[in-house]
Amino acid sequence: GQNIDQPTEMTATEGAIVQINCTYQTSGFNGLFWYQQHAGEAPTFLSYNVLDGLEEKGRFSSFLSRSKGYSYLLLKELQMKDSASYLCAVSPDGYKKLVFGTGTRLLVSP
Amino acid sequence: KAGVTQTPRYLIKTRGQQVTLSCSPISGHRSVSWYQQTPGQGLQFLFEYFSETQRNKGNFPGRFSGRQFSNSRSEMNVSTLELGDSALYLCASSFRAEETQYFGPGTRLLVL
Repeated sequence: GQNIDQPTEMTATEGAIVQINCTYQTSGFNGLFWYQQHAGEAPTFLSYNVLDGLEEKGRFSSFLSRSKGYSYLLLKELQMKDSASYLCAVSPDGYKKLVFGTGTRLLVSP
Repeated sequence: KAGVTQTPRYLIKTRGQQVTLSCSPISGHRSVSWYQQTPGQGLQFLFEYFSETQRNKGNFPGRFSGRQFSNSRSEMNVSTLELGDSALYLCASSFRAEETQYFGPGTRLLVL
């Protein structure tokens, strides 16, 4: 089976740093994605990791450890507009079938 | 470059009816995937099309079907609608050789 776990909800304050964790157990692995989804909107692509290590893109970074089945998304210098759900997804077989976690709702307060 | 477009954006149907949703991928993208998003189950994969062929299918009943046209536009159809089919239906497109999928705004379906 396929299983992806991430915390349901997190809170943080403006300007802070937050780390959203994701663990996965899938039948195969062809990459891990992070998407941001504001309420009522479509998911927006944030990052893609297929090799171990850290990928940095502006205020957002994503880390992957394939041996541990673990990833995290790091958001720095939080802004109010970062309040959204963050979805962790794995591609098990490279056939464009993403398996999603249930998402982490992040609330950024002033 | 225009993003993924989906029509209609909102739809209200009654139980037993059928519905057809449309998706136009980003220009040059030939792979189109469909997902269902509900509060309880999150995002779940329905199927994926490439070059008018269904390459992968999720665990949904046969009432859910789809197709892709030669211009890469895709449609999905749900027949004999049930209350539980109320959801946001998202389509995503990608290049064949790349993994990253880009989502459209979705069609919000309400079944009464």
